[in-house]
Amino acid sequence: DVQLVQPAAEVKRPGESLKISCKGSGYNFPNFWIGWVRQKPGKGLEWMGIIYPDASDARYSPSFRGQVTMSVDKSFSTAFLQWSSLKVSDTATYYCARLCGGDCYETGAFDMWGQGTLVTVSS
Amino acid sequence: EIVLTQSPATLSLSPGEGATLSCRASQSVNNYVAWYQQRPGQAPRLLIYGASNRATGIPARFSGSGSGTDFTLTISSLEPEDFAVYYCQQRGNWPPYPFGPGTKVDVK
Repeated sequence: DVQLVQPAAEVKRPGESLKISCKGSGYNFPNFWIGWVRQKPGKGLEWMGIIYPDASDARYSPSFRGQVTMSVDKSFSTAFLQWSSLKVSDTATYYCARLCGGDCYETGAFDMWGQGTLVTVSS
Repeated sequence: EIVLTQSPATLSLSPGEGATLSCRASQSVNNYVAWYQQRPGQAPRLLIYGASNRATGIPARFSGSGSGTDFTLTISSLEPEDFAVYYCQQRGNWPPYPFGPGTKVDVK
């Protein structure tokens, strides 16, 4: 089965750092872009960026550049999203998702999603 | 940056009725439009890519159409599990590939 597995939740204080993971299985992880999507409570989806595991080529939305860092460890088929200093406003669910391949690739659609990590930042 | 708008914001319908959801881009997006369904408490699920191609395992009652700047998701006959929020997404020439604000389909 193709899947992306994420931890369910993280709770942090403002100013703390955090690195959340997204482990892929059931497919050739290095050859598919992985994206990150933010969803604040009760709100819509926000496209954060994508990273290509085989080259660590990362592309950020201007809204998120400098706020987060995407990385991968392809030997462990795992992508990461990292904050150096969290804010209360970072409270959200963060989804990782696979950019589809084949005839779907050029469309930029995400065909497989993790279950999301709820990040709660509170003092 | 291309901006997507979706209408209506909420669609109140009964099971068995048909649904028509609209997505409009601020400029042409080369038919690189995808549609997703998100049920409460769940991750989004890809329904349609490339404006009109159903993703793997998606029932035939879901169809997509449109070109240029105007796109439509049609659900021919609503099943109970179809009451959810639907998002469109576009891929322009460069990242980001933004999502629209969503249309909620709820029970009348």
